[in-house]
Amino acid sequence: AQSVSQHNHHVILSEAASLELGCNYSYGGTVNLFWYVQYPGQHLQLLLKYFSGDPLVKGIKGFEAEFIKSKFSFNLRKPSVQWSDTAEYFCAVNHGSGNTGKLIFGQGTTLQVKP
Amino acid sequence: DGGITQSPKYLFRKEGQNVTLSCEQNLNHDAMYWYRQDPGQGLRLIYYSQIVNDFQKGDIAEGYSVSREKKESFPLTVTSAQKNPTAFYLCASSMEGVSYNEQFFGPGTRLTVL
Repeated sequence: AQSVSQHNHHVILSEAASLELGCNYSYGGTVNLFWYVQYPGQHLQLLLKYFSGDPLVKGIKGFEAEFIKSKFSFNLRKPSVQWSDTAEYFCAVNHGSGNTGKLIFGQGTTLQVKP
Repeated sequence: DGGITQSPKYLFRKEGQNVTLSCEQNLNHDAMYWYRQDPGQGLRLIYYSQIVNDFQKGDIAEGYSVSREKKESFPLTVTSAQKNPTAFYLCASSMEGVSYNEQFFGPGTRLTVL
């Protein structure tokens, strides 16, 4: 069965530190990749997505992610985190060759940024 | 103000009872989804619907049922057959049920079985 793995379950950083959250998926075909974020008390929302073209994608609030097909990875990065980035982050994958919106989510990573 | 609404926010149920969670969207989206969120497990797909009067099982459909009689509504019933129903339930929608579309999420319903 296809799966998505997020290796870091709980990350604690100080403000201005750099962030990289890992995401690996198991499907070998065409994929569409997403990062969603859930801020405390808010709806889950899209940070960024990749479906074709430049494998380095930029999202909202200074986040970016790089799709590395050979490594089945889609890691999320931010050069300098802020206290307001404290949230839960989810990586999700959709089979690009399929014709449905079915997403498979990773387990999530809780990011805590200390002021 | 467009979006997805879910009600109620908190729901308590006795064992053996069925309960229905509401999900409504005014985004004119064709596709709708139900997920279950448990700590440390991320989101898991229960059911999804790409058009009115059609829906498919997701990865954990056992003990759940849905209907899609109207484009804007996709209620989820948690039946007494669901062995571990206490969880946070999220509804989502997307413009079309295709692979590259962003899904928009509602605020969720937290169900507790007493």
